[in-house]
Amino acid sequence: DADVTQTPRNRITKTGKRIMLECSQTKGHDRMYWYRQDPGLGLRLIYYSFDVKDINKGEISDGYSVSRQAQAKFSLSLESAIPNQTALYFCATSDLGTSGRNNEQFFGPGTRLTVL
Amino acid sequence: EDKVVQSPLSLVVHEGDTVTLNCSYEVTNFRSLLWYKQEKKAPTFLFMLTSSGIEKKSGRLSSILDKKELFSILNITATQTGDSAVYLCAADSWGKLQFGAGTQVVVTP
Repeated sequence: DADVTQTPRNRITKTGKRIMLECSQTKGHDRMYWYRQDPGLGLRLIYYSFDVKDINKGEISDGYSVSRQAQAKFSLSLESAIPNQTALYFCATSDLGTSGRNNEQFFGPGTRLTVL
Repeated sequence: EDKVVQSPLSLVVHEGDTVTLNCSYEVTNFRSLLWYKQEKKAPTFLFMLTSSGIEKKSGRLSSILDKKELFSILNITATQTGDSAVYLCAADSWGKLQFGAGTQVVVTP
């Protein structure tokens, strides 16, 4: 079974609709992240959470919101989707190493979202 | 403003060639430099570098970090078609990753 799962894997929606993307993990990590990937731009951080009570904006949070329902669950919402939010969305998790540095991030399979 | 720049953006090589990918970074509170491989799906972890001058190796892949000059390189020797992918580097700052745009590597038979 995959350690980091995302649902749905593909979604086509219309402008103005509310969309929720969900992420679950069985790795027991405290830290969770949402990224979007656009061609030629690498991955850009939308929101991140270092524990259940911690939510932080990333580089491109406008138009998005998140909810950390439990240690294992982190969902991303688009309140009113617009076409330029068409992208590949990844959830990731990590934990803090014994050195005090973040360990590597593990990525989910991605959700391909198309907004018409 | 934090930034991570990778070069080249893309390259095409023949099987057996050696490839060198570059990553320069400017981030506040730098903690580590990570390399990922992405093959039309989720990025998979390759290396995490925290100390200058210490080479990390995994099979035909190796990487090194220079914290004085703020860059890292990823080498792939004896390339194979299975090495075709986008290679991403990312700088860890305050527990968050700042990614570069990636280098697309195509290995032809």
